[in-house]
Amino acid sequence: EDQVTQSPEALRLQEGESSSLNCSYTVSGLRGLFWYRQDPGKGPEFLFTLYSAGEEKEKERLKATLTKKESFLHITAPKPEDSATYLCAVEVSSGSRLTFGEGTQLTVNP
Amino acid sequence: KAGVTQTPRYLIKTRGQQVTLSCSPISGHRSVSWYQQTPGQGLQFLFEYFSETQRNKGNFPGRFSGRQFSNSRSEMNVSTLELGDSALYLCASSLTGSEAFFGQGTRLTVV
Repeated sequence: EDQVTQSPEALRLQEGESSSLNCSYTVSGLRGLFWYRQDPGKGPEFLFTLYSAGEEKEKERLKATLTKKESFLHITAPKPEDSATYLCAVEVSSGSRLTFGEGTQLTVNP
Repeated sequence: KAGVTQTPRYLIKTRGQQVTLSCSPISGHRSVSWYQQTPGQGLQFLFEYFSETQRNKGNFPGRFSGRQFSNSRSEMNVSTLELGDSALYLCASSLTGSEAFFGQGTRLTVV
């Protein structure tokens, strides 16, 4: 059975304090790994797709990396507006069937 | 360009009733997927439609059904509502089947 585990469940940072979120996965044939950001009461907002080990993508203060067993979302010098739940998901078959982790709730204090 | 639009945003229904939720995908996207999000279970896949055909189905009871129209708009139906069906229902559209873009969701409360 495909499994996605995110850690930590919750993370509190001070503004400017860099850190990383982890997404480990156990799947039979990864087609893609996705990162989303979700604000309370809203739908997930697409951030990145990673397809192969060694791949990296960046967007503003966020950088996502992928290995054969896990992905990291690095947040550099975060701001309060980066506070949200960050979701990791994997796709293992054709079609948009995503298996999501439970998410990491990030709080950045000013 | 316009994003994924879900209607209605909020619904309150009584146990035993049925409900229909609507989703308009991003223009040009032919794949539409539905997810249920609850605090205890997180985001769980319901089903996916591509060109009016159900291509993928999650582990939900038959009370949950859907369809897709020729203009790619999709509807999801839940019959004989139970209290446990209270959730945020999310629709996602994609061009190729990957990189799904989500709508704002429909918050369903069953009382």
